[in-house]
Amino acid sequence: DAKTTQPPSMDCAEGRAANLPCNHSTISGNEYVYWYRQIHSQGPQYIIHGLKNNETNEMASLIITEDRKSSTLILPHATLRDTAVYYCIVKGTGNQFYFGTGTSLTVIP
Amino acid sequence: ETGVTQSPTHLIKTRGQQVTLRCSSQSGHNTVSWYQQALGQGPQFIFQYYREEENGRGNFPPRFSGLQFPNYSSELNVNALELDDSALYLCASSRLVDRRPGELFFGEGSRLTVL
Repeated sequence: DAKTTQPPSMDCAEGRAANLPCNHSTISGNEYVYWYRQIHSQGPQYIIHGLKNNETNEMASLIITEDRKSSTLILPHATLRDTAVYYCIVKGTGNQFYFGTGTSLTVIP
Repeated sequence: ETGVTQSPTHLIKTRGQQVTLRCSSQSGHNTVSWYQQALGQGPQFIFQYYREEENGRGNFPPRFSGLQFPNYSSELNVNALELDDSALYLCASSRLVDRRPGELFFGEGSRLTVL
């Protein structure tokens, strides 16, 4: 599975869109991009995943560049409850998800 | 609420002891994975069970072992505990579809402290 690079931390004002970037320049054609988040002392929570098309669900949007070498998770209207560590994961058909150290997002009132 | 429950939530052991952690999977899920999360780090894959057999293992020694039961619940056993085993242990269930694992649904974890 390809490796990912994320900024260690970001801040976002409450009510504004939070845009979390992820680089995955070695991604291969059959690997998906997954996003999870982990609120302090809880288990990770699935957010969204995609292969090459942009995806949207009730939690977030995932924008994947045309060359698939990077992606952005968008939380359209961040709330204080969105403060968490966000993990970008590239996943093929193997069993394991490589979480890395993620981006610590702080939503500021 | 993921439907995945783990027990115990917290426990303290001493070096050299053995520990068993338990996980009840979400209904309809046939695969269970265990992850170890040290303080300040992301979760690290220990192993996965599918149809009661180990179906992949991360870089963990044999003293980490597991079981999956017919009702898809699972246990993680760690023998000869070391101080570095202190961590949050996470169980995640999923469905294996067309040989590709679906998204993971995590429990809240069991926090193990080894003294």
